[in-house]
Amino acid sequence: AAGVIQSPRHLIKEKRETATLKCYPIPRHDTVYWYQQGPGQDPQFLISFYEKMQSDKGSIPDRFSAQQFSDYHSELNMSSLELGDSALYFCASSRDRGYEAFFGQGTRLTVV
Amino acid sequence: AQTVTQSQPEMSVQEAETVTLSCTYDTSESDYYLFWYKQPPSRQMILVIRQEAYKQQNATENRFSVNFQKAAKSFSLKISDSQLGDAAMYFCAYRTRGYSGGGADGLTFGKGTHLIIQP
Repeated sequence: AAGVIQSPRHLIKEKRETATLKCYPIPRHDTVYWYQQGPGQDPQFLISFYEKMQSDKGSIPDRFSAQQFSDYHSELNMSSLELGDSALYFCASSRDRGYEAFFGQGTRLTVV
Repeated sequence: AQTVTQSQPEMSVQEAETVTLSCTYDTSESDYYLFWYKQPPSRQMILVIRQEAYKQQNATENRFSVNFQKAAKSFSLKISDSQLGDAAMYFCAYRTRGYSGGGADGLTFGKGTHLIIQP
């Protein structure tokens, strides 16, 4: 069965650079969620989209932005990167805001 | 705001034995979802079991079952016949059933319990 696809899997950026993370949800899933998991931490909800509109907002820094496109894939844009942004970024998707969200394998971002 | 508390940072169990992981939560809402996720060393987040708050019956999935005590706001996970592959970080998570602002709410996670399986 198709799963949530995230790219890239690993990314190394320097401080103050910009990064773009991509998420391709499971086919026919219209809801996408983004989470950030720092080293040794629990995942923190950043933002979600339903039918290409922003649905809910968590602890997403102002330096970050995201959107969901017409094909339902989503991108998380991160600017002015800081060392503290180094983390595992998960995307999850669900159907019609359903409670069962399926997670991708994550993108590991390292800021040096 | 909702909070999820896992009071056991680490648990250890012998292979084939039973272990229970604790989780408590705080919410003012009456309708919500609760989940247990497993995160093995690969860091993949895997849904283990879910429970709808309006259902009185405890959820079960093969060797995994929960003890849901709504009044006490407690949601523990029991793993029976522990296997080496069960070794992982386990996160308890909460999500409101309603949609704030018409959207889809994200999950609130606990800090996790690191489960070690002794062969």
